[in-house]
Amino acid sequence: QVQLMQSGGGVVRPGESLRLTCVASGFTFGDFDMHWVRQAPGKGLEWVAFIKFDGSSEKYDPSVRGRFAISRDNSNNILYLQMNSLRSDDTAVYFCARDAGGRTTLVLPKYWGQGVRVTVSS
Amino acid sequence: EILLTQSPATLSMSPGETATLSCRASESIGTFLAWYQQRPGQPPRLLIFDASRRATGIPGKFSGSGSGTDFTLTITSLEPDDFAVYYCQQRSNWPPVTFGGGTRVEMK
Repeated sequence: QVQLMQSGGGVVRPGESLRLTCVASGFTFGDFDMHWVRQAPGKGLEWVAFIKFDGSSEKYDPSVRGRFAISRDNSNNILYLQMNSLRSDDTAVYFCARDAGGRTTLVLPKYWGQGVRVTVSS
Repeated sequence: EILLTQSPATLSMSPGETATLSCRASESIGTFLAWYQQRPGQPPRLLIFDASRRATGIPGKFSGSGSGTDFTLTITSLEPDDFAVYYCQQRSNWPPVTFGGGTRVEMK
């Protein structure tokens, strides 16, 4: 079955960096687009970033563009989110998610990790 | 950016009743709308995509309808596990992918 195991969350100060990791299993990782979605405490869902199955294209929400970078290692089935210049409003639970499509982009996060908490506070 | 407005924010229902949730888009998105369920402490679960197509393994009690700017999620015969927060999501014009603010279905 599809599994997405997340790690890397924690507490950091404003301006610092953090890298989130999502290890995939149960499917051919290199055949699927991936997303990061976040949820601030007590709030709704906010899409953060997308990467195509082969890493050839990345998309970002304007609120994180230029500060966050999504990447993937298809040899080791790992998705990353490098977060730089963190701000207090980046505080959230971050979910990695596999798209529902195969090599066709559907923009439908279907399978989700359990989420990791990121807290940005001085 | 396409804005999605969900209403009501909270729906108080009793088990066995039928819940009707609304999602309105700021511009036409065709049928590129999905619905997710999120229970407390859990990640979201895809229920409906393309406005009316149930995702794999989703029971028939969940149904979606609509096109253009107005969409509805209907949940029949509410059971304890159905009391959760429901989000709509559009994929018509992205980035960014956008979600609605959510509707909480709570037990009366």
